[in-house]
Amino acid sequence: QQPVQSPQAVILREGEDAVINCSSSKALYSVHWYRQKHGEAPVFLMILLKGGEQKGHEKISASFNEKKQQSSLYLTASQLSYSGTYFCGTASGGSYIPTFGRGTSLIVHP
Amino acid sequence: GAGVSQSPSNKVTEKGKDVELRCDPISGHTALYWYRQSLGQGLEFLIYFQGNSAPDKSGLPSDRFSAERTGGSVSTLTIQRTQQEDSAVYLCASTLSTSGRYEQYFGPGTRLTVT
Repeated sequence: QQPVQSPQAVILREGEDAVINCSSSKALYSVHWYRQKHGEAPVFLMILLKGGEQKGHEKISASFNEKKQQSSLYLTASQLSYSGTYFCGTASGGSYIPTFGRGTSLIVHP
Repeated sequence: GAGVSQSPSNKVTEKGKDVELRCDPISGHTALYWYRQSLGQGLEFLIYFQGNSAPDKSGLPSDRFSAERTGGSVSTLTIQRTQQEDSAVYLCASTLSTSGRYEQYFGPGTRLTVT
């Protein structure tokens, strides 16, 4: 079952922060985050495994709340290069095939 | 190093014709996935291969779609009797395993247009 991402779109100015949420109705083993720029392939950002860990990548970090079956991606002090569509992919223990959400479009203006 | 490659990058075909899309995964990656992405939509899982195991075909939308993976490496996705609703970008991804612990590396995709 497809995870639900929110919001659908975010418009920011450079330097502002954003949070993208991903929630699932199923118990999760892992959550994957990818960014896709227009006309390009999705690019891996990070994976979080069950255990409620938090990870960071430059000024982008994420959390995974196993009990709530949710993950959040945090973008701080956004840069123009952060623009793109962010996808979360969730995998459950019974099947390790990530199921992706519809994506969140992030636009960063100067 | 070489990433995932796909060919052709663009394919325009007439309704009713068959098409073959090719994917070359990263060397050493045992797992290979095919996804479909329609305009403004997310990534729709189609099929995955893990080593020599039987593929998981649970995402294939109809029996017009099939895929094979030869020698545990190159994969071909075939769509028979194409329909206009098959128009989309077809993405291939490979990963070290399907344990859910490893990132997927995506190819650039094949944009299929059915006229």
